[in-house]
Amino acid sequence: SQQGEEDPQALSIQEGENATMNCSYKTSINNLQWYRQNSGRGLVHLILIRSNEREKHSGRLRVTLDTSKKSSSLLITASRAADTASYFCALDTGRRALTFGSGTRLQVQP
Amino acid sequence: EAEVAQSPRYKITEKSQAVAFWCDPISGHATLYWYRQILGQGPELLVQFQDESVVDDSQLPKDRFSAERLKGVDSTLKIQPAELGDSAMYLCASSLLAGGIDTQYFGPGTRLTVL
Repeated sequence: SQQGEEDPQALSIQEGENATMNCSYKTSINNLQWYRQNSGRGLVHLILIRSNEREKHSGRLRVTLDTSKKSSSLLITASRAADTASYFCALDTGRRALTFGSGTRLQVQP
Repeated sequence: EAEVAQSPRYKITEKSQAVAFWCDPISGHATLYWYRQILGQGPELLVQFQDESVVDDSQLPKDRFSAERLKGVDSTLKIQPAELGDSAMYLCASSLLAGGIDTQYFGPGTRLTVL
């Protein structure tokens, strides 16, 4: 399979806590991207990490990539109720369009 | 901020009827994608266009689905006849594919319910 697999499938935390979700994959990649999807809406690009990068930050987001283990993690610090959404990792293999995993559903309790 | 437009937002139809979805990508984005997303799953690519040409339609059920992007700008996805299993969110996305990086911008989607 060329798609990533997110873990956990669902995550429920309190506002202010950190949320960590993981993505594992089996193929070689050019880059890995994370997207957010609010209920009933389209996906929004959050952050991209290239295959030669190990860590990247954007605001409250921190992404890591371990190409030897073929895994990535997305950390959202100091979560807010507005962070409630589904989060998807997407693999760019350079051979075809992005392939998306099945997502992690994050619920942030106020 | 430029956005990808899709219409309609919601469509309810009976099986065996024809349905059509429209997408207007961000101006200047040569690459356009149609995805299908079943509830609780990630988007799955149906078709990819580069300008007016189809780049990848390997996952498009061609016996009932068709897609076109005649002038390389907006696009239409059609299902005829619709089946119960077609109930899903249909998402359109566009990208610049600048520097080999495929960052996609998604529209709000069309939620299709087939009765």
